[in-house]
Amino acid sequence: SQQGEEDPQALSIQEGENATMNCSYKTSINNLQWYRQNSGRGLVHLILIRSNEREKHSGRLRVTLDTSKKSSSLLITASRAADTASYFCAFPTSYDKVIFGPGTSLSVIP
Amino acid sequence: DAGVIQSPRHEVTEMGQEVTLRCKPISGHNSLFWYRQTMMRGLELLIYFNNNVPIDDSGMPEDRFSAKMPNASFSTLKIQPSEPRDSAVYLCASSLARTDSPLHFGNGTRLTVT
Repeated sequence: SQQGEEDPQALSIQEGENATMNCSYKTSINNLQWYRQNSGRGLVHLILIRSNEREKHSGRLRVTLDTSKKSSSLLITASRAADTASYFCAFPTSYDKVIFGPGTSLSVIP
Repeated sequence: DAGVIQSPRHEVTEMGQEVTLRCKPISGHNSLFWYRQTMMRGLELLIYFNNNVPIDDSGMPEDRFSAKMPNASFSTLKIQPSEPRDSAVYLCASSLARTDSPLHFGNGTRLTVT
């Protein structure tokens, strides 16, 4: 992919469980963003973490960033069926060119 | 705000025909991005504009693809002639021209070339 990788490619969990998705990148970054995409729709921005931050929370979302390993993780706690979607990490490179990872498809089973 | 508006939502055309996809960004946003999304290749950045000027078009697959942004409220992506391998979802996004500004996406155009 264009400088980003994510794993797992697909994840299936029971409602109430936690879901963890990982993202790795190759370039230096100022920030890393996570987006969500429901089937047939555009992407929606979830959270942004800056390169000088290690962890950030927003509701049931927790994002970590390890710049030494060039990796980030997104944790969704107490998952719900409505969290079923694809999740993408993204990061701006030179001249604000925003590159996306391949995404993780999350299925939350009621 | 109505968000980013793309049209049409679906387009079915025959190989060799010209296809024009349209995007209206959010008012006040000065960066605009065109992405192509497929199962095989994921989200590919085709081209992006800053203040209506194309900054990077290195992702445009070949000369059959062209994009314009004649003003701050409108952009087009044209494929001429279209080929079956162009079948994909084309997504447009806009943002403020800052590295910490999130992208706002339209719902995309699903293109099928037969």
